[in-house]
Amino acid sequence: DADVTQTPRNRITKTGKRIMLECSQTKGHDRMYWYRQDPGLGLRLIYYSFDVKDINKGEISDGYSVSRQAQAKFSLSLESAIPNQTALYFCATSASGGVKYQETQYFGPGTRLLVL
Amino acid sequence: AQTVTQSQPEMSVQEAETVTLSCTYDTSESDYYLFWYKQPPSRQMILVIRQEAYKQQNATENRFSVNFQKAAKSFSLKISDSQLGDAAMYFCAYRSGGGATNKLIFGTGTLLAVQP
Repeated sequence: DADVTQTPRNRITKTGKRIMLECSQTKGHDRMYWYRQDPGLGLRLIYYSFDVKDINKGEISDGYSVSRQAQAKFSLSLESAIPNQTALYFCATSASGGVKYQETQYFGPGTRLLVL
Repeated sequence: AQTVTQSQPEMSVQEAETVTLSCTYDTSESDYYLFWYKQPPSRQMILVIRQEAYKQQNATENRFSVNFQKAAKSFSLKISDSQLGDAAMYFCAYRSGGGATNKLIFGTGTLLAVQP
């Protein structure tokens, strides 16, 4: 879905380097999320943000930080990358308000990160 | 804590046939939502179908339908008239109806192959 974009799509980096993954959305959603996907483990929540001034840790936030630059932009940073952060990273968005079941999360295309 | 289990790592179906993917979950909550997401080789996470726990009627979306058994905590996905484009990884996901994080809890996925 082109409404949620992630850059870069693929990235190779070295241990100890700082990298940033970016997410932008044109859906007008106020809520944004970062997930990590590892083989055999499904997706797990890293951080989530319900608006520009509301950022919260998910279940696996250690080693990561985020920045919500605007309602439409949510960046994930690895301050000092390590090999076990090699994974597929997804950004997702949802809209608050209205009927709860309508709050479906829509995903970006993912960023494949390899840390050597 | 809630958990989602997909016990079939891989499934195969002949084109035009019907296949059912299994999902069970564990929760003590009464208000929640269940989803099936599809992840084709492009890596995009695509929503297939969703179900509200308070609804007894099973959700349907064209060739996709679910069998929601709340007492058994089972949420299977049936794909009718399978097509080559249905080949993908399928993830079952749970979201609490009253949770503060609004996070999705994913199963480990079922890889579906469609044979011509």
